[in-house]
This record gives sequence, structure tokens and C-alpha cells, in this order.
Amino acid sequence: NAGVMQNPRHLVRRRGQEARLRCSPMKGHSHVYWYRQLPEEGLKFMVYLQKENIIDESGMPKERFSAEFPKEGPSILRIQQVVRGDSAAYFCASSPRLAGESGYTFGSGTRLTVV
Amino acid sequence: QQQVKQSPQSLIVQKGGISIINCAYENTAFDYFPWYQQFPGKGPALLIAIRPDVSEKKEGRFTISFNKSAKQFSLHIMDSQPGDSATYFCAASKSGNQFYFGTGTSLTVIP
Repeated sequence: NAGVMQNPRHLVRRRGQEARLRCSPMKGHSHVYWYRQLPEEGLKFMVYLQKENIIDESGMPKERFSAEFPKEGPSILRIQQVVRGDSAAYFCASSPRLAGESGYTFGSGTRLTVV
Repeated sequence: QQQVKQSPQSLIVQKGGISIINCAYENTAFDYFPWYQQFPGKGPALLIAIRPDVSEKKEGRFTISFNKSAKQFSLHIMDSQPGDSATYFCAASKSGNQFYFGTGTSLTVIP
């Protein structure tokens, strides 16, 4: 049973380009969460999705960032017109139901570097 | 505003010693408190979790102590081993969808 799969593991983008981060949840998990981790800091919540629905996007920056979890395929976190401050590790997590009952399973993350 | 405050930032413990990491929270609506372990280049992995209706939970060498009145909880690692060297994060959640993480504790266990 594969865990949460994130790709790519490392992504380098120039300022102004777009970054697309992909996340395939664990089999049987229908809840997906995205977190951002800056160096020497904890994880910050960005967005919570279920299939075809954004449930809570209170942690998403208002501009340039978007997320989706389509009926088929992985969840995508999209960052348009990246800036140096977007450089961070982005982690996806999944759970079979609300995570407060069982906790999350995290992927290994995508490390985004904006040059 | 940091919803969950974690200390210390770093910790060095001798092999066989006890590692203690502390967290404090403000929001009394939090109802789930997990601890995560993260190795370099990896995602955080759930270590142990507790709900506020119990004061202590033990799994192997790992114990969570929970003080509801003080709004504090801590992780104790007994008989610490070099393989325990990692970054540990406490977290808190209400209703399960969004977790608030502490800033992490870098633990080094020296042989």
C-alpha cells in the first residue's frame, strides 16, 4: 500500500514562472491537506480538499495560489508567477476521514526553490 | 499568532536519557493533540496522539502527558537512542480539518 505520493521531489523555478505540485493520497483516503514549511519553522496549513471540493482554504494566500482535487487524478497545488518568498517545502497529507480522528499521513514533500 | 508554542527549539540528550519536549496552547476548543517526528528530507510521521479526556498516553518509549487545566502537553522519550535524533513537532486541532503545528524541536541523541 503506497503512502502519500508527491512529485516532483524538487522543483526549481525562475521568478515569474508557474509551479505545479502534485499529490496522490493514500488509497482509500478522500481528504487531502496542503501545508507549507519554511526553514526552521513549523508547518502552516494552506488548504483542505475533498474530491472536487475545497473545504477550507483559509491558509491560502489570496493571490497566485490555487488548489484542486479533481474527481480523477491527483490533487494539484498551483503557484502562479512565483517569487523568492515562495521557496519552501510543500507537504501534502491525506486521511480517510476527518484527521482529528486519526491524524494525517504526510508525503515526503516537494521542495520548491525560486531563483 | 502562534496557536501552539513549543520548547525547547533544540535539545541534546545522552543515549539512554529522557528527552522532554513541551507545548502550550490557548484555544480550549482543541480536541486532538498529535506529535510528529520528521527526519531530514522526509515528511512528518505521526508518532503518538492524545485527546483531552486522558492525562497520559504511552506507546513503547514514547509518552504524552496532558495537563488540561494548564493547557500544556509534553512528549517524553524514555531511553533515548541515536536513531531518535530528528525534529519533533507538536500539533493541535479542533474538529479535525486544520492542524496548528509548533515550531519544532531538533533532538540530538549522542552516543
